[in-house]
Amino acid sequence: GENVEQHPSTLSVQEGDSAVIKCTYSDSASNYFPWYKQELGKRPQLIIDIRSNVGEKKDQRIAVTLNKTAKHFSLHITETQPEDSAVYFCAAGHNTNAGKSTFGDGTTLTVKP
Amino acid sequence: GAVVSQHPSWVICKSGTSVKIECRSLDFQATTMFWYRQFPKQSLMLMATSNEGSKATYEQGVEKDKFLINHASLTLSTLTVTSAHPEDSSFYICSAARWGQSTDTQYFGPGTRLTVL
Repeated sequence: GENVEQHPSTLSVQEGDSAVIKCTYSDSASNYFPWYKQELGKRPQLIIDIRSNVGEKKDQRIAVTLNKTAKHFSLHITETQPEDSAVYFCAAGHNTNAGKSTFGDGTTLTVKP
Repeated sequence: GAVVSQHPSWVICKSGTSVKIECRSLDFQATTMFWYRQFPKQSLMLMATSNEGSKATYEQGVEKDKFLINHASLTLSTLTVTSAHPEDSSFYICSAARWGQSTDTQYFGPGTRLTVL
């Protein structure tokens, strides 16, 4: 089955700096890579996703890059703000079955004001 | 966007009792819903896939007789934790898949915090 590794497990940055979270996956058949933000006690919220037909996707301060050859993808948050503080999960799965995605262990991001 | 609700948001029960959790897709139909559990400071673990009108598919290691899933309509799936014990205490989250153009996206419910005394 799929195995997703996520690094780092914790990340602390100063407000305004950039944050990068990296994930690797094992199943070359995976073609759907979502990123979720989860605040304490709340539901995971989809913040951005990328499908394997593109190498990069951007939405305002958030971007995701995908390297299918190396089987890794990354989340980039620029101009971080304190409200970006949360746990971020990457996942890998299939276009037609997003619910069966395998999740990484999460990264706790703290943005210091 | 797609909205998924879950009820109750929290529940405390005595050991040995059963607890039912409901998951609803409010503004779209979901032929497939998913149930996860999440322990504190850990990732989401998929328990089972709930299929409308058919039996749920359970992940390896998940007891189907303990975690009963029913998906009777295109907008409702229920998870019943039978004979709950303290080790079943966890955050249970459902999700529903919404289809776009040949792809689907997953939307999560707000979760149910179960505490078994």
